[in-house]
Amino acid sequence: AQSVTQPDIHITVSEGASLELRCNYSYGATPYLFWYVQSPGQGLQLLLKYFSGDTLVQGIKGFEAEFKRSQSSFNLRKPSVHWSDAAEYFCAAFQGAQKLVFGQGTRLTINP
Amino acid sequence: DTEVTQTPKHLVMGMTNKKSLKCEQHMGHRAMYWYKQKAKKPPELMFVYSYEKLSINESVPSRFSPECPNSSLLNLHLHALQPEDSALYLCASSQGGRLAGEAGELFFGEGSRLTVL
Repeated sequence: AQSVTQPDIHITVSEGASLELRCNYSYGATPYLFWYVQSPGQGLQLLLKYFSGDTLVQGIKGFEAEFKRSQSSFNLRKPSVHWSDAAEYFCAAFQGAQKLVFGQGTRLTINP
Repeated sequence: DTEVTQTPKHLVMGMTNKKSLKCEQHMGHRAMYWYKQKAKKPPELMFVYSYEKLSINESVPSRFSPECPNSSLLNLHLHALQPEDSALYLCASSQGGRLAGEAGELFFGEGSRLTVL
């Protein structure tokens, strides 16, 4: 079955440090990939998306992600994290035209 | 306006109650979604409406009954729920489409937190 995997359940980084959150997918065709962020008790906010074209995608809040077909990955990066980046991060992809499925999520904690 | 509005934000109900969750968007989107999210878990798809017709039902129990009165509104009617149905219920909308890639990104509301006693 098509799936999205986030290998890291919880990551802790220091404020100002760089960040990389991992996402792997298993699909036959070109996937449509997303990163969403969720603060506690809140809805999901789209950070960025990849549909086609340039494999390095820029998003909001200083985030970027790179699509690597050879590694079936779509990792999220940020050069310098801020305390306000602490949240749950979900990688997601469409199964078919209408079903968006999510990875298990990675909880990001920021040390001051 | 890029908002999806959900009401109520919090709902407490007994197992014999009937209640409804409501969702509204004014982005001209033609697809609307209900997701269920348990604590520390990812959202799980329940229903998809495309062009006001139910297109996906992820084998959701009949005690959850969706309704799409028009392209801007989505309801979720709740009846005879169980305590394990307590969760955050998220509504989302997208441009919609019948081919892969046409749907675009999903815009989510803040959710309705449901507690079943």
